[in-house]
Amino acid sequence: AQSVAQPEDQVNVAEGNPLTVKCTYSVSGNPYLFWYVQYPNRGLQFLLKYITGDNLVKGSYGFEAEFNKSQTSFHLKKPSALVSDSALYFCAVRPYSGNTPLVFGKGTRLSVIA
Amino acid sequence: DVKVTQSSRYLVKRTGEKVFLECVQDMDHENMFWYRQDPGLGLRLIYFSYDVKMKEKGDIPEGYSVSREKKERFSLILESASTNQTSMYLCASTRPGQGNEKLFFGSGTQLSVL
Repeated sequence: AQSVAQPEDQVNVAEGNPLTVKCTYSVSGNPYLFWYVQYPNRGLQFLLKYITGDNLVKGSYGFEAEFNKSQTSFHLKKPSALVSDSALYFCAVRPYSGNTPLVFGKGTRLSVIA
Repeated sequence: DVKVTQSSRYLVKRTGEKVFLECVQDMDHENMFWYRQDPGLGLRLIYFSYDVKMKEKGDIPEGYSVSREKKERFSLILESASTNQTSMYLCASTRPGQGNEKLFFGSGTQLSVL
């Protein structure tokens, strides 16, 4: 069965600094990997996805994520954090083959401090 | 844009009541999902459906049932509400054939069972 680990419950970063939100996964075969974001009092929104191809994936709002197969990781990154990036971030995975639903991690709360 | 509408933003029910949570999507999506979101536990899949009158159990189906009589509507039913079902409930939908990615979520229903 697939699983996702987000080792940090909370990440604090100063505005303008680079940010990283970590994610590792476990899945049979090749993975589909995703990041979703939940802003305060709003539903989850798709941020970016990795299916195949380039290991560096670019998404919305200047975010990017790097797929590392050997480390089974898919860390979310942004070169320069904004206060408006403060939100709850979820990593999710499913196997490349088949049609099983996404499995989500427990979420990481990002706080960007001005 | 896809719209996933959950009928109530906040709901307060008493222990033992039968509770209906309604979800409607307007983009003709075949796949629909019910998750619950709890702090520290992330999103956990309750039930999902890939077609009308079809349903599959997710990771935590106990105490819940679902109904999918029409393509656009996916209802979650708490047969006899209990306090441990106090949670945020999120409905989501997507098209098949793309691997269930880019889920579109509703705004959520915060259910309190007293």
